[in-house]
Order: sequence, then structure tokens, then C-alpha cells
Amino acid sequence: GNSVTQMEGPVTLSEEAFLTINCTYTATGYPSLFWYVQYPGEGLQLLLKATKADDKGSNKGFEATYRKETTSFHLEKGSVQVSDSAVYFCALSISQGGKLIFGQGTELSVKP
Amino acid sequence: GAVVSQHPSWVICKSGTSVKIECRSLDFQATTMFWYRQFPKQSLMLMATSNEGSKATYEQGVEKDKFLINHASLTLSTLTVTSAHPEDSSFYICSARREGAGGNTIYFGEGSWLTVV
Repeated sequence: GNSVTQMEGPVTLSEEAFLTINCTYTATGYPSLFWYVQYPGEGLQLLLKATKADDKGSNKGFEATYRKETTSFHLEKGSVQVSDSAVYFCALSISQGGKLIFGQGTELSVKP
Repeated sequence: GAVVSQHPSWVICKSGTSVKIECRSLDFQATTMFWYRQFPKQSLMLMATSNEGSKATYEQGVEKDKFLINHASLTLSTLTVTSAHPEDSSFYICSARREGAGGNTIYFGEGSWLTVV
């Protein structure tokens, strides 16, 4: 079946540290891959996406590359800020219909 | 600002009662919405696809008689948890699909915390 596995949190970093949140997936067919972010008290927001192998999604300094050979879509940011503190969800979609399969989420806490 | 809104954000209900959660698309029409639930430290799990004007499509293992979904208009879907029990306590979140010439965009609501006591 289709599934997404993320590294467990919480992840605690100091401001300006490098961030990696690992995400691997299992899918039949050719999924699109997503990272969503949920700030405290808010809904999920799309952070970035990639629709085919070797695509790199990027937004707000975050980036992730669709690696088909390792079935991974790791999220990275070179220098995190306190305002990046949130829960990050990796997800995949097999179709354009809008159904998403999520990882369990990784809580990031950035300390000043 | 939010383009999909859920209400209520928090609800506490007594065991055996029913509770309704609303999901509204604020500035677009959504023929399709999705309902997810999330247990602590676990993934968001898709419960059902809500289709305007027709019956919802439930995922395997989701009780359709317990989780009633009504998508009566192009901007509103409701999830009613009937005869709620403590094990139904969870975080419920909806999303709405915005269709456009360039493809579909998915917007999520803020989520609703349900506690059954």
C-alpha cells in the first residue's frame, strides 16, 4: 500500500542551525510529494511540493528533492528561525483528486 | 487569511451525544472536500471524501453510520459524530479542493479538537 514515514519529533534546534527532517515513502505508481506546515492554532499550509523524480520544491528557504531511487523527500533548511517552529507533515498523492496520505508529523521547536 | 474554515475549533461533548463539525470554503466553491482525523503522535488519516450533492465516499474501516457527512452546498460540508464515545476523541481536519485551469489546489481548515467525556 501507500504510506509515508517521517522522522520522529520533537526536533529542537537553536536559531540559525541547519534543519533536516527525513521523509520516506512507499507508493504504487508515480506519486506527487508534499510538505505541509502547521503553525500553532492554524490549519495545514502547503510549504512545497514536487511532482516527479528529481524535482526540487522550494519555499521560504526550505527545500526538498524528490528522490525516486531512495524513495525519499527530505526537508532541509540552511538556517532556521524561531518563526519556523511548527509541525511539519510529509505527504503523498497518487492522483490529482486531492486525497493525501500523510506522515505522522514532526514537531520543530527553534530556540533563540 | 483562511480560505477554509472549520467550526468549532474545540468541542467537549458527553458520551452518547452527537456533535457536528462544519467545514466551509470561504471564497471558492468546492465540489469535493475531505475529512481527516489525527490521533496524538500519529498521521492524519483520511476518513472520507465529501462530494457535493451525493453520498460521501468512506475509506476502508471508517463507519459511515457513525461519521455522517453531508455536503449540502458548494461551500459547506459537515461531519457529525453520532453517539460519540471517548475513543472518538481526536483532532478532525477538513480540506477543500479548489479547481482551476492550472490544476487543483488543496486548502486545509484549522482543525477541530473533539473531546468526549
